Amino acid sequence: SYVLTQPPSVSVAPGQTARITCGGNNIGSKSVHWYQQKPGQAPVLVVYDDSDRPSGIPERFSGSNSGNTATLTISRVEAGDEADYYCQVWDSSSDFYVFGTGTKVTVL
Amino acid sequence: EVQLVESGGGLVQPGGSLRLSCAASGFTVSSNYMSWVRQAPGKGLEWVSVIYSGGSTYYADSVKGRFTISRDNSKNTLYLQMNSLRAEDTAVYYCAREMGGSGFDYWGQGTLVTVSS
Repeated sequence: SYVLTQPPSVSVAPGQTARITCGGNNIGSKSVHWYQQKPGQAPVLVVYDDSDRPSGIPERFSGSNSGNTATLTISRVEAGDEADYYCQVWDSSSDFYVFGTGTKVTVL
Repeated sequence: EVQLVESGGGLVQPGGSLRLSCAASGFTVSSNYMSWVRQAPGKGLEWVSVIYSGGSTYYADSVKGRFTISRDNSKNTLYLQMNSLRAEDTAVYYCAREMGGSGFDYWGQGTLVTVSS
């Protein structure tokens, strides 16, 4: 089965840039979506199709995808960005949806 | 306004059954790809099942043969029938709409299922 690996945690100071990676075999050939989840809340889509943003998501959230790694970048980090972040793809070989292991972003 | 509201969660004994419902408004369930995603306490997100607009269904290996996804077009509602429940099925269950293959753009608030004796 397809596996997506994320770092368990990322710490960043306010105003700095956070980068969250999502590793998977040839992930660059797939469309990657990213979700933000705050405690006690449902996930929210923040980036879809590698680098597009849903309406209402700040431009500070951006994404890229190439080779074996996809990256979610949060620029000018704010305290409100503290949350768990998950990447997700659809694995066409199995018709399964796969989520990454999740990354907790802590704003120092 | 698009809204998804889950119900049906609760405490059930191992081996028991439960049916979750997800009432949708603001869009038509049968015209979209709809999934169930769960999250065990303190753990990450796990996809459970999908029903495509054409009616095809798929399941994660962990629930295949025990869970059944379905929809009632007249009620615009998605369901998840869960049988032979195990302790490891304990989780918050979310229903989610897939945005034409571009991620899950709307999620319900989740319903907690606890499997314990």
